Amino acid sequence: AQSVTQPDIHITVSEGASLELRCNYSYGATPYLFWYVQSPGQGLQLLLKYFSGDTLVQGIKGFEAEFKRSQSSFNLRKPSVHWSDAAEYFCAVDIYNTDKLIFGTGTRLQVFP
Amino acid sequence: DADVTQTPRNRITKTGKRIMLECSQTKGHDRMYWYRQDPGLGLRLIYYSFDVKDINKGEISDGYSVSRQAQAKFSLSLESAIPNQTALYFCATSDRAATEAFFGQGTRLTVV
Repeated sequence: AQSVTQPDIHITVSEGASLELRCNYSYGATPYLFWYVQSPGQGLQLLLKYFSGDTLVQGIKGFEAEFKRSQSSFNLRKPSVHWSDAAEYFCAVDIYNTDKLIFGTGTRLQVFP
Repeated sequence: DADVTQTPRNRITKTGKRIMLECSQTKGHDRMYWYRQDPGLGLRLIYYSFDVKDINKGEISDGYSVSRQAQAKFSLSLESAIPNQTALYFCATSDRAATEAFFGQGTRLTVV
């Protein structure tokens, strides 16, 4: 079945540590790929997106993500996490020719001082 | 003012009641979406619309209906609310395929 998978439901890191959030998709063609962040009590905000070209994309708030076609993955990274990064993170795909934006189940990030 | 406005922000309703959630946007976008968010399930697409005359069912449309009254307005209705429709509902808009979606702040609906 076509899907977007975020295998980590909850991740806890210390402030200043590096972060990697995983996302895998299972679609025939490479979809358009996004990462969104949801702060407590807020709507979702776009962090970054990948359509084509350079497989390493930079986003806001110091985040980056790398597309790996061979692994059908689009993992989100940050070299040094800040306490304000505590939030829920969603990977999403926009499937070519369907124009539907489909989300993964999310990863909740907790940051300890 | 917010680009995407949802009303109400919170609502408690009784089983069997009809309820409408409203969404309006000032982005000038053609595409509008309704999602529901449940813990552990992420956001699931209920309905989406690419223009006023185009309405499409998403993954979980049963028990819901929508109305696109204008380019800027997209309403979600629960004709007869049931407790398992208790969730956080989000409206979103986008300009076209593969562009950023803009989200409202959500409507927390509780059906008792």
